[in-house]
Amino acid sequence: EAGVVQSPRYKIIEKKQPVAFWCNPISGHNTLYWYLQNLGQGPELLIRYENEEAVDDSQLPKDRFSAERLKGVDSTLKIQPAELGDSAVYLCASSLGRSSGELFFGEGSRLTVL
Amino acid sequence: AQTVTQSQPEMSVQEAETVTLSCTYDTSESDYYLFWYKQPPSRQMILVIRQEAYKQQNATENRFSVNFQKAAKSFSLKISDSQLGDAAMYFCAYRSVRDMRFGAGTRLTVKP
Repeated sequence: EAGVVQSPRYKIIEKKQPVAFWCNPISGHNTLYWYLQNLGQGPELLIRYENEEAVDDSQLPKDRFSAERLKGVDSTLKIQPAELGDSAVYLCASSLGRSSGELFFGEGSRLTVL
Repeated sequence: AQTVTQSQPEMSVQEAETVTLSCTYDTSESDYYLFWYKQPPSRQMILVIRQEAYKQQNATENRFSVNFQKAAKSFSLKISDSQLGDAAMYFCAYRSVRDMRFGAGTRLTVKP
């Protein structure tokens, strides 16, 4: 069974440019998460989806970040425009339910903003 | 929001010995799950062990075991017979209906 797939693995852009990350969760997983992970720190939740509905986006900087999960399967996280401080790893995870069971993580998308 | 605290930024253990990583959490909920995740350098995060809060018995997975103290809100991870491949960042995580939070992590070094 395929795990959580993320792309691209690495992205280098100049500040003020847009960038998008894609995530395909494990088949059948209704809950999808986007996390931000700075070097040497724990993941911080950006947004959580239950199917196609964003149920927790309180930590998403909505002035420059947006996300969508059309049809409740794969998801895209966009940053426009990117800032130097956005350099980090963006992790996608999925789980079967919203309250139980572990999260399965993708390999992450490492963003470098120059 | 619930908080998860890992008070040991770094830990070191000699190969074949035992090490314990600490984690405390804050919650007012009664139904939740606790996890330890391992993240090797530049690799994806994988689950090490999980504990349901309603279970009194401590979870065990081969060389990994937990000491779950619900009243004290403590959830430590014990790694026995440490191996070089255990070197990684370890994250304690809390999950409930409302929330999913991670600690800041503990970097474990295994010395040969």
